[in-house]
Amino acid sequence: ETGVTQSPTHLIKTRGQQVTLRCSSQSGHNTVSWYQQALGQGPQFIFQYYREEENGRGNFPPRFSGLQFPNYSSELNVNALELDDSALYLCASSLDRFPEQFFGPGTRLTVL
Amino acid sequence: GNSVTQMEGPVTLSEEAFLTINCTYTATGYPSLFWYVQYPGEGLQLLLKATKADDKGSNKGFEATYRKETTSFHLEKGSVQVSDSAVYFCALNTGANSKLTFGKGITLSVRP
Repeated sequence: ETGVTQSPTHLIKTRGQQVTLRCSSQSGHNTVSWYQQALGQGPQFIFQYYREEENGRGNFPPRFSGLQFPNYSSELNVNALELDDSALYLCASSLDRFPEQFFGPGTRLTVL
Repeated sequence: GNSVTQMEGPVTLSEEAFLTINCTYTATGYPSLFWYVQYPGEGLQLLLKATKADDKGSNKGFEATYRKETTSFHLEKGSVQVSDSAVYFCALNTGANSKLTFGKGITLSVRP
């Protein structure tokens, strides 16, 4: 059974740029959630995708957008990067929106 | 809204000491409760869970009991090991989606 994978591992961008982060869900899982974890804080929910549709969104601006593909992998896109977007971005997958979620190792984004 | 409060850290213990990490919550409805652990440089791993009042979750020697009357889900372990050094997050879920609300986390360091 393949776990949740994310790419890239690390990324450095400059303010105003755009970034795309990728996530492959655990085998058999059809729900993907994205979280932002700032340094020293707990993860904050960005949004969730279930069967290719957005299924809930946290308190993040529209420049955070996402996509889920037919194979249930997912992308997180962030436009007009700001310094405060520097964080660890975590992807988690689950089956049928069950609350038990399995996390990937994260993508560390640094915005300069 | 939903929230999770964890005791302030960090916590430093000697090997074989008893561990208690406090977690209280505020939630509408009847949440499911979780403890996640994050080892250095890694994503989050589900440690244990409880889905209804008086349930006890347990795993790897860790235990936590869902106390509805005190809205708490404290994590305990009778004898910690150096390998337990990590960041521990308490989290809850109430919604139709599997959005998790996390506490700030607490760093545990175990000395040999």
